[in-house]
Amino acid sequence: GQNIDQPTEMTATEGAIVQINCTYQTSGFNGLFWYQQHAGEAPTFLSYNVLDGLEEKGRFSSFLSRSKGYSYLLLKELQMKDSASYLCASLGAGSYQLTFGKGTKLSVIP
Amino acid sequence: DAGVTQSPTHLIKTRGQHVTLRCSPISGHKSVSWYQQVLGQGPQFIFQYYEKEERGRGNFPDRFSARQFPNYSSELNVNALLLGDSALYLCASSLRPSGQPQHFGDGTRLSIL
Repeated sequence: GQNIDQPTEMTATEGAIVQINCTYQTSGFNGLFWYQQHAGEAPTFLSYNVLDGLEEKGRFSSFLSRSKGYSYLLLKELQMKDSASYLCASLGAGSYQLTFGKGTKLSVIP
Repeated sequence: DAGVTQSPTHLIKTRGQHVTLRCSPISGHKSVSWYQQVLGQGPQFIFQYYEKEERGRGNFPDRFSARQFPNYSSELNVNALLLGDSALYLCASSLRPSGQPQHFGDGTRLSIL
């Protein structure tokens, strides 16, 4: 399987930038997803990286390094509504299942 | 367009009973996956179906089963319910089984008494 590690909690200030890191096992890897989940709601898709590099989408960017088994989600110009859990999930090669980390609970404070 | 829809929203059962959860994918999506999420954890993969065939199964006991219908909707069945089955059950759909973003429904909150 793909062990996913990400910090449990983070706190950041409104208007600031925050980076949420994720590490995974590199064997049998075929892509990395980031999801946002507000309390009591379903996860919503943020980004998908399969090649090395940075993918930018508005205030959110995601980076992947396949050789290092490392990804991060970068959130710019933080807003209060960004307070949520951020889930990192890997897709195994030849597999159809996503393996999720436990999620990083981000609290944005004024 | 409607997103992934799941029913029921909430369900309360007692130990030993069985339950059927339902999921309708986004129109045009042929792949449906089921996940179990307990409080404070990420979703854990249970099953994936594509074109009515099981394409993947997670580390869950045989009490868990699922199927996909010709219209690509899906059911998750759990028999002999245990207290530990209390969780949020999420359904996700995608165009294809791999390499595509999965879009989640709002889930079914199952409570076992």
